[in-house]
Amino acid sequence: DAKTTQPTSMDCAEGRAANLPCNHSTISGNEYVYWYRQIHSQGPQYIIHGLKNNETNEMASLIITEDRKSSTLILPHATLRDTAVYYCIVRGRAGNNRKLIWGLGTSLAVNP
Amino acid sequence: DAGITQSPRYKITETGRQVTLMCHQTWSHSYMFWYRQDLGHGLRLIYYSAAADITDKGEVPDGYVVSRSKTENFPLTLESATRSQTSVYFCASRGLAGGNEQFFGPGTRLTVL
Repeated sequence: DAKTTQPTSMDCAEGRAANLPCNHSTISGNEYVYWYRQIHSQGPQYIIHGLKNNETNEMASLIITEDRKSSTLILPHATLRDTAVYYCIVRGRAGNNRKLIWGLGTSLAVNP
Repeated sequence: DAGITQSPRYKITETGRQVTLMCHQTWSHSYMFWYRQDLGHGLRLIYYSAAADITDKGEVPDGYVVSRSKTENFPLTLESATRSQTSVYFCASRGLAGGNEQFFGPGTRLTVL
């Protein structure tokens, strides 16, 4: 299963865009990139996922490089409520078991 | 209410006791998962289930037992709790359709003394 590398922590000013990078250099052609976040003391929350095209939803945008070895999650106008740990995950390959391999994520602090 | 719930939210027990953590989802999702989360580790998969009566081990299954007699429930049992099982436990579910997005419960904080 492909592994991911993320910075341990990042800061962002409220109202500015937060750009969270993720490296997944060993990703395979049929593996997706998923992003979740975990606000303190809560369960993780799904944000977005993609294969090779850029994706956007009401929460965020996901930019995946052409070689698919890295991606960036963009929160266009960060708010204090976006302070959380953000996890970049490549879907584990084990038949149809749908397991996700979790790392330690990036702790994002949005400052007023 | 619709969604995924866990009970209890907090539990303190003693070494050697049996403990069961409950998980209930109202979406009729096929897949359900149990994770534990400890400082210095990402979420680690304990067990998962693809459907009623179908379960499989995850990354750290030792010391845990699961069952799934009904689609909506996925209890996790610690047959003889140990201090190393002190952790926050999260249950999650996902459906068959769509991507691999999982929906998580609020977690159970378990302390084993």
